[in-house]
Amino acid sequence: ETGVTQTPRHLVMGMTNKKSLKCEQHLGHNAMYWYKQSAKKPLELMFVYSLEERVENNSVPSRFSPECPNSSHLFLHLHTLQPEDSALYLCASSPGGHTDTQYFGPGTRLTVL
Amino acid sequence: DQQVKQNSPSLSVQEGRISILNCDYTNSMFDYFLWYKKYPAEGPTFLISISSIKDKNEDGRFTVFLNKSAKHLSLHIVPSQPGDSAVYFCAALNAGNMLTFGGGTRLMVKP
Repeated sequence: ETGVTQTPRHLVMGMTNKKSLKCEQHLGHNAMYWYKQSAKKPLELMFVYSLEERVENNSVPSRFSPECPNSSHLFLHLHTLQPEDSALYLCASSPGGHTDTQYFGPGTRLTVL
Repeated sequence: DQQVKQNSPSLSVQEGRISILNCDYTNSMFDYFLWYKKYPAEGPTFLISISSIKDKNEDGRFTVFLNKSAKHLSLHIVPSQPGDSAVYFCAALNAGNMLTFGGGTRLMVKP
């Protein structure tokens, strides 16, 4: 399997649930990213990891908790989400240098009831 | 405040004609610009990029133009094909390798 994969592709959860989104890249990249795409809004960068260290957190609420156990895997742990958190969550990876192209996964469509 | 803006949410073009997608930015620290294409149910895929030291980059049917003084870039697709129908995102990179995306423009190419 190649490229960037994300599981699950669709997720419906209640506000009291705890769930996790998984991203895996098979490209040997050093940087991984979480983005959120809400309806009619630009892609929003949430978290950036470079060499498994978090380097950027764009003031994301604490109900979103990222984890990067190694350079190939990235998780987004979700707990006590709100309905407005319903969105498409995209993972991306890049080799790690400036001007590197980011390669995106297919996304997880999250619905919070 | 959006630093990268795509003011046209949608664009409809006849097959064979030119498609022009526009993008404006406000941050003069951006030094690299990219266009991504997104089909439904898929993540964005890289299309073409341009460095701020250039004003034009061409790849097949796709050409990106950069006007630094106007803080404006555009993507030209010629000739447009029905398979080009997708949402196109403009994105800008700063020195920290952080991508900032525009809101996207939905292109519809009619046969």
